[in-house]
Formats: sequence, C-alpha cells, structure tokens
Amino acid sequence: KAGVTQTPRYLIKTRGQQVTLSCSPISGHRSVSWYQQTPGQGLQFLFEYFSETQRNKGNFPGRFSGRQFSNSRSEMNVSTLELGDSALYLCASSLVLSGSYEQYFGPGTRLTVT
Amino acid sequence: TQLLEQSPQFLSIQEGENLTVYCNSSSVFSSLQWYRQEPGEGPVLLVTVVTGGEVKKLKRLTFQFGDARKDSSLHITAAQPGDTGLYLCAGANSGGYQKVTFGIGTKLQVIP
Repeated sequence: KAGVTQTPRYLIKTRGQQVTLSCSPISGHRSVSWYQQTPGQGLQFLFEYFSETQRNKGNFPGRFSGRQFSNSRSEMNVSTLELGDSALYLCASSLVLSGSYEQYFGPGTRLTVT
Repeated sequence: TQLLEQSPQFLSIQEGENLTVYCNSSSVFSSLQWYRQEPGEGPVLLVTVVTGGEVKKLKRLTFQFGDARKDSSLHITAAQPGDTGLYLCAGANSGGYQKVTFGIGTKLQVIP
C-alpha cells in the first residue's frame, strides 16, 4: 500500500505571498491532519479533516486554512506569508480506530519564507 | 491544554550503551504513540500502547505505558547508530473528535 505523499517537498517563497501544499493520504484513510514543525516548538497541530469536514483546529491564525476533497486528498493554504512561517509542514493520515489514534506521516514540505 | 513533556531533550551515547527516554503528562490519555523521525523526513510510527501498565517490545526497543496512563518510557538496549533520530511521543484521547498532542521530542545521537 502506498504511503502518504506530499507535494512539493521544498518551497521557497517571499513575505506576503501565499502558498498551497498538497497531501494524498493512504488509500482508505479518511482522516487527514496537518502539523507545523519547527526546532523550538516541535509539532504544532494545525487542523484535521474527516470526510471533507474540518473537525479539529489548532491555535493558528486565520491565514492558515485547509480543505479536503471527496477522494480524501487534502490541501492547506497559507496566505500573506511571514518569516515565522518557515517550517516543515507535515501531513498525517489515520484510519481512526476505536481505542487508538495511529497516524502515518508524509515526508513533509519544507517551506522557507524570505 | 494537554502537555506532554519529554526528557531528556538531547542524548548522545556510545554504540552499545543502554538508554531510557521519558514522556510525562498530568493528563490521562486513552492511547499513546511513539514515533522516530530522521532529518528531512516525517515521523514513523513505532508503537501504540493503550492499556495502563502495558509493555511492548520491538526488537531492542521496550515501550511501557504507565499504570495511570499519564506517562510512558522507551528503553533501548545496546543502541546502534541506526537508532539515531528524534523520538516523539504523542497522546490521544477517545471520545468525540480525537486530538493528538505531541511532545517536543528527544534527540538521540548514537556514536559509532
């Protein structure tokens, strides 16, 4: 079974621009979560989508948004980029089994804002 | 906000040594996962523990979930350079929509 894929792997943008990142989950997984990872803060939860609905959201400004399509693929968008948005953005898919919550991560998109 | 504290944050040891890293919280979790992440890659799931007091072994790695399901430990026997990486614990709660909380991680370096 193919793993979680994320595109692009690397991205360089300038302040004020916007960016869209894409994630394809493992086949059959309907939950997709997004995280921002920086050296000082670790993995910070952005949001989770399940069956095209956002059902959990972290403490990030409205510049960060996402969506999920009917085939479970997900995109996240960051508008008006700031230098502090430079990070590794990780997508994780999950089967959401009762009693556990195992997530399978993609390789991430490394975003650099200059 | 549920917090997961991991200790130590950094660990550098010689090949062949044993080590234990810890994951602690004041909150109860229904399940806890351990992941290993290598530079430039996403975290890879190692194990899930769901029962208080549960012990799981994965070759030279031993994972334990605390009796009260608030803490966990990872013990590595005879560490090898291939064990080098960032070890992350993540706790989740059942009921409603699950939200996963990650610790900041333990960065392990095993020197040949």
